[in-house]
Order: sequence, then C-alpha cells, then structure tokens
Amino acid sequence: AQSVDQPDAHVTLSEGASLELRCSYSYSAAPYLFWYVQYPGQSLQFLLKYITGDTVVKGTKGFEAEFRKSNSSFNLKKSPAHWSDSAKYFCALDSSGSWQLIFGSGTQLTVMP
Amino acid sequence: GALVYQYPRRTICKSGTSMRMECQAVGFQATSVAWYRQSPQKTFELIALSTVNSAIKYEQNFTQEKFPISHPNLSFSSMTVLNAYLEDRGLYLCGARVQVNQAPLFGEGTRLSVL
Repeated sequence: AQSVDQPDAHVTLSEGASLELRCSYSYSAAPYLFWYVQYPGQSLQFLLKYITGDTVVKGTKGFEAEFRKSNSSFNLKKSPAHWSDSAKYFCALDSSGSWQLIFGSGTQLTVMP
Repeated sequence: GALVYQYPRRTICKSGTSMRMECQAVGFQATSVAWYRQSPQKTFELIALSTVNSAIKYEQNFTQEKFPISHPNLSFSSMTVLNAYLEDRGLYLCGARVQVNQAPLFGEGTRLSVL
C-alpha cells in the first residue's frame, strides 16, 4: 500500500539555522512527490515537486528537496530559515499521475526569531 | 494565471442539515477535480476524484450518498455534505491539475463548522 510518513510532528529551530523536514514514502513504482505548506487558517500552497530528472529540486520561498530512491525519502531543506517559514508542511505522494494524492501527517515548523 | 476558486470560504450549519460548496477553475480546463478534507488537527484525506464524463471515484470511508458531487463542465464542480455532523467539520479543499506533470492546484478551501 502507498503511504507517506513525516516522522516529526513538530520541529523548532532558531532563525538563521538550517532546516530539514523529513519525508519518506512507500510505493513500488516511480513516485511523483510534492511538498506543500499551510499557514494558519489557510489552504495549501505548493512549494516544489519531483517528477523525474534531477534528484535535487528547487522550489518557491528558497526551499529545495532531494529525492533519494535508495531510502525512499524526499526531505525538504532550507538555509537559513526565517521566522516567516513557521507553518505546517505536508509531503504528498501521487502514484504516477493517478491524481490520488496521499498526504503525510504534516510537520509543524516553528522558527524562533 | 490559473487558479482554483472555492466558495464559500467559511460556513456554519446546524447538525443534521446539508451544505453545498463550489469549486471553479479559472484560466484552465479542469478535466479532473479532487476533493479533500482536513479534519481538525489532521492531515488531508481524499474524498473523491471527479472526472468530466466519467464516474466519480470515492475513497473508502466516503460515499456518494453522503458527499454527492456534481462536475458538469470543465470549469465547475460542487460537492454537498449531507446530514452534516460534528465529525464532518474541517477544511474542504478542491484541487485540479492544470497540466500533466504539474502539481495539483488547490483552492483556498471551504471551512465547515457544525453546531
């Protein structure tokens, strides 16, 4: 069965530090992977995606993520982090364009100013 | 640019009543529209995938009898929450893909409260 795991429910760090939010997935074929961000009271905003090609993908707001097939991970990174990055981040899997996004449970990021 | 517009943004209904929410694709043709729900403090669950001129596919735990969906054309979809109860509270998102290999685009959502 397909699944997405975000093992860290909460991550707190200081402004200026490097952030890395973990995401792992379970899917037997080639995955489409996404990161979205949700600010309080708002909907989802797209950050970046991996479909094929370069395993390091860059997205909006200075974020990037690395697809690692060897350990089925797609971690989100940014350096340095800014207090405005505080939000909830969701990793999602789309099993080869079936359009059925499977979301992880989300990671609440708090960046202390 | 392409965007997905949802209406209403917030709504409150009495327990046992029904509530209809709308989703409109602007600037592109939404062949398929997916509806998701985020219950309080939870992640997003897929309710159903609706494709124009095709049967609507509901996920486990969601039924047409409870969440009927209409998708009459390439720019509009609506979903009704019938007999809403507390467990139906949450943020309902409509999403559509502008092109294959592009990330699904989501609307701002309809936040449903049930009294």
